[in-house]
Amino acid sequence: GQNIDQPTEMTATEGAIVQINCTYQTSGFNGLFWYQQHAGEAPTFLSYNVLDGLEEKGRFSSFLSRSKGYSYLLLKELQMKDSASYLCAVRAQTGANNLFFGTGTRLTVIP
Amino acid sequence: EAGVAQSPRYKIIEKRQSVAFWCNPISGHATLYWYQQILGQGPKLLIQFQNNGVVDDSQLPKDRFSAERLKGVDSTLKIQPAKLEDSAVYLCASSSKWKRKDSTDTQYFGPGTRLTVL
Repeated sequence: GQNIDQPTEMTATEGAIVQINCTYQTSGFNGLFWYQQHAGEAPTFLSYNVLDGLEEKGRFSSFLSRSKGYSYLLLKELQMKDSASYLCAVRAQTGANNLFFGTGTRLTVIP
Repeated sequence: EAGVAQSPRYKIIEKRQSVAFWCNPISGHATLYWYQQILGQGPKLLIQFQNNGVVDDSQLPKDRFSAERLKGVDSTLKIQPAKLEDSAVYLCASSSKWKRKDSTDTQYFGPGTRLTVL
């Protein structure tokens, strides 16, 4: 089976840095994705990790440790528009290569 | 390029009624997914198509849900009859496993259909 855990809610201040953690237990692993979802909108792709290490993309970075079943999304120089839910999703190593999503972390950025 | 299109955006029905959702994936994307997202939860896969064939429908409640992708492009998801617990956002996503540049096989989501069952 698949088990993906992430905090339900986080609050951070505009201009600060925030780290959203994700731990997972899956039957086979074939990559981890982070998506951003604003209220009432579709998830949009942020990052992808399949090897250990840090992937940086502008203000957003994502880290993966496969041996620990752990990832985090790092958001720098927070802006008010970053208030959204952040979904961690793991691609299982099955024939269908399906994604399994966590419940999401709702981030609120305050002035 | 145009994104994933879905309609309708909102639907309100009474329990035991039928409802259908439509999805048009990104042009050229061979793989299409339907997800159910209940409020406060992450998306849960219902069914995956590769062209017009079903790859995985293990989590589709087949007694009331059905989906098709007859020509390998557009897809419809139907619920008949609807129950109160079907109230959710139904998301369609597509990906292309065949583009060399897109080795991540990233899924791109449509805006979703918000279903309310009364």
